[in-house]
Amino acid sequence: AQTVTQSQPEMSVQEAETVTLSCTYDTSESNYYLFWYKQPPSRQMILVIRQEAYKQQNATENRFSVNFQKAAKSFSLKISDSQLGDTAMYFCAFMNVAGKSTFGDGTTLTVKP
Amino acid sequence: KAGVTQTPRYLIKTRGQQVTLSCSPISGHRSVSWYQQTPGQGLQFLFEYFSETQRNKGNFPGRFSGRQFSNSRSEMNVSTLELGDSALYLCASSWGELASYNEQFFGPGTRLTVL
Repeated sequence: AQTVTQSQPEMSVQEAETVTLSCTYDTSESNYYLFWYKQPPSRQMILVIRQEAYKQQNATENRFSVNFQKAAKSFSLKISDSQLGDTAMYFCAFMNVAGKSTFGDGTTLTVKP
Repeated sequence: KAGVTQTPRYLIKTRGQQVTLSCSPISGHRSVSWYQQTPGQGLQFLFEYFSETQRNKGNFPGRFSGRQFSNSRSEMNVSTLELGDSALYLCASSWGELASYNEQFFGPGTRLTVL
């Protein structure tokens, strides 16, 4: 069974600064997918960024980028130039090739003005 | 394009009752997945339906069941409700099945409270 660990229950960052959210996972599979989801307060969960395990290049989406270390089973999310709208709970998720997902417990990020 | 819709948004039931939740996916999406979100257990995958067939199932008891209709709308049923079933139930849709690495779009959820 896969496990996903987000070791930071809460984090805060000043507006315009950079913050990194940590995620580690455990699996015996060689092919899988990794995701970061954002769940703003009282709003729907949306996909932030995704990474296919067989791709060595780190995924990037505008201000969001990941540091994917397959050997270390680490998948951290970096948010650059943080904005107030980035305040949300962030979930790291693992999906195996059969489509079964495992989520971390989430990190609540607060961006301060 | 309309997003994923879930009905009802809020529901209060008592122990022992059963409940049915509904999810309408984005038009054209054929996969619907269900998740349970609780403060204690976090987000847990319940099951996925694609083209009216269950493709994946999480580790939940048989009291949790679902189905998908020919128009891709899905329902989730929980029988013999327990206090621990109180949760936010999220539905997500995608164009293809999850195993094909399709992006999921989430609905707003149904908040179920069991008294």
